[in-house]
Amino acid sequence: NAGVTQTPKFQVLKTGQSMTLQCAQDMNHNSMYWYRQDPGMGLRLIYYSASEGTTDKGEVPNGYNVSRLNKREFSLRLESAAPSQTSVYFCASSADSLYEQYFGPGTRLTVT
Amino acid sequence: QKEVEQDPGPLSVPEGAIVSLNCTYSNSAFQYFMWYRQYSRKGPELLMYTYSSGNKEDGRFTAQVDKSSKYISLFIRDSQPSDSATYLCAMRGAGNNRKLIWGLGTSLAVNP
Repeated sequence: NAGVTQTPKFQVLKTGQSMTLQCAQDMNHNSMYWYRQDPGMGLRLIYYSASEGTTDKGEVPNGYNVSRLNKREFSLRLESAAPSQTSVYFCASSADSLYEQYFGPGTRLTVT
Repeated sequence: QKEVEQDPGPLSVPEGAIVSLNCTYSNSAFQYFMWYRQYSRKGPELLMYTYSSGNKEDGRFTAQVDKSSKYISLFIRDSQPSDSATYLCAMRGAGNNRKLIWGLGTSLAVNP
């Protein structure tokens, strides 16, 4: 049982480049989330998806887009990367009625 | 003022000490209270949760919620070097809102 997987683990981009962070879960969870974690700022919600086909903005959505491809997969896209997007990105998922979010291992992104 | 306040530390204690970690919050609608543990360069994982007020014990860990004071605590007894991690509190209201409100996390080091 892999839980929540994320690819890639590390990435370095130049300003203006684009990339997609991939996330998949095998727990049959309806809800999925994308967070960024920065020193002194804690975990901040970028986007979430309560079910397949729906997405909603979180606290810091600007500069990002998401796709809920199917129940298992939720991707995060940076169309034109900026140095302010240097961060650690976590994907998480949860079952419908529960409080517990299961996190992936994270993607460390550096934008130069 | 943030909805959830948590002292980021760092906190350094000797092995065997009792550790007290705390969060305060301002939203009286919060009903579910969680503690997550995050090891360095890993994703957060749920350690304990409490619904509404009261205490919950799991081995060396005890979670307490005081809704009248809007204050939650995590106690670690007989702390071990393996407890060295960042501890994040998180909470949410009742109903279908799946979004968690997070504290910044407290960094704990248990020294052998």
